Order: sequence, then C-alpha cells, then structure tokens
Amino acid sequence: AQSVTQLDSHVSVSEGTPVLLRCNYSSSYSPSLFWYVQHPNKGLQLLLKYTSAATLVKGINGFEAEFKKSETSFHLTKPSAHMSDAAEYFCVVSAPGGYNKLIFGAGTRLAVHP
Amino acid sequence: DGGITQSPKYLFRKEGQNVTLSCEQNLNHDAMYWYRQDPGQGLRLIYYSQIVNDFQKGDIAEGYSVSREKKESFPLTVTSAQKNPTAFYLCASSMEFSPLHFGNGTRLTVT
Repeated sequence: AQSVTQLDSHVSVSEGTPVLLRCNYSSSYSPSLFWYVQHPNKGLQLLLKYTSAATLVKGINGFEAEFKKSETSFHLTKPSAHMSDAAEYFCVVSAPGGYNKLIFGAGTRLAVHP
Repeated sequence: DGGITQSPKYLFRKEGQNVTLSCEQNLNHDAMYWYRQDPGQGLRLIYYSQIVNDFQKGDIAEGYSVSREKKESFPLTVTSAQKNPTAFYLCASSMEFSPLHFGNGTRLTVT
C-alpha cells in the first residue's frame, strides 16, 4: 500500500534563507511523486513531479526535490526563500492505476518572515 | 486561457438543504475529480470520472452525488445526508498519467 508522510506541519524561515520541507513515502511499486503548492483560498498548483527519470527534479519558482529511494524520501528545497513562497505545500504519491490513485500528505504550512 | 472554473467561490446553506457545486473545464481533459479539504488534512477523494456518463466513488462518497453528462462539466451535489458538509471543495481534471490541474475551490458553509 502507498502512503505519504510530511514530517513537519509548520515550517518558519526568514526571507533569503534556505527552505526544506520533508516528505517520506511508502510504496510497493516504483512511485510517481509530486509537490503541489496552495495559496490561501486557492486551488493547488503543481510545483514539480518525479516519474523515474532524473532523481533531482527541478520545478517552478526555484524549487527542487531529490528522490532518494534508499531513504524513501522526496524532500522539497529552495536555496533562498521569498515572501511570496508563504503557502501550504503538499507531497503526493501516485500509485499504479493512473488517473485516480493519488495519496496526499497532510500538508506543510510555510511561513516566511522579513 | 484553458482552465478549471469552480463556482461559486463561497456558498452558504442551511442544514437539511441539498446544494450543487459547479465545475467546468476547457482543457479537454478526460478525467475529472472532486476532493474535499479540511484544515490540517490532506485532500480526500469524493468522486471521480474518467469518461462521460461514468463515475466512481472515492474514499468519502457518502452524502455526495455527481453527474457527468458532458466532458466539460462535473457538478457535485452535497446532500442533506452528508453529516459534516462544511469544507473547502476542490475540483480537478487530468489526462491519463498526467498531473492534476485544480480549480480555485468552493468554500461551503452549512449552518
């Protein structure tokens, strides 16, 4: 069975400092993994996706994530936080079956302070 | 521009009333989905549809109903049987094996 755990419910950083949002997954198969971002009262926007190609995945807005099979992790990073990065971030794992088999983490709320 | 339109953005209803949330997409996607989001929780799948006139229950379908009469439209009805309907509802669409595109959501408050 597939599952995903976001290790921090809240992360707070200062503007200009690095961001690390942690995600561990469990999967019986080789998974597809995603990070989505949600700003208040908005839908989710895809940041990046991993689908068994390069293990370091670059996304939009300077974010990237590294797939580490040995650690079953898919942590999201950004070298320098911007105020506009304040949002909720969801780690998502896709199980076999294509369309509908998505499992969402509980989310990590990122706060960015001046 | 292509996208997913959910309406209305905010919806208020009295307990015991059915309410229908609208979702329209012009992305020509085959699949459409309804998710429910509660504070501190990830998204939970209510219903999904892969083709017109066909849909399947997700993890929390009780108290909800849907229809898929057109490829572009996938309305969700929250019935009076749903015990705790106040939530943020998100509609999404996708092609097979492609990431989901989301609408901006409808916040439903039932009092």
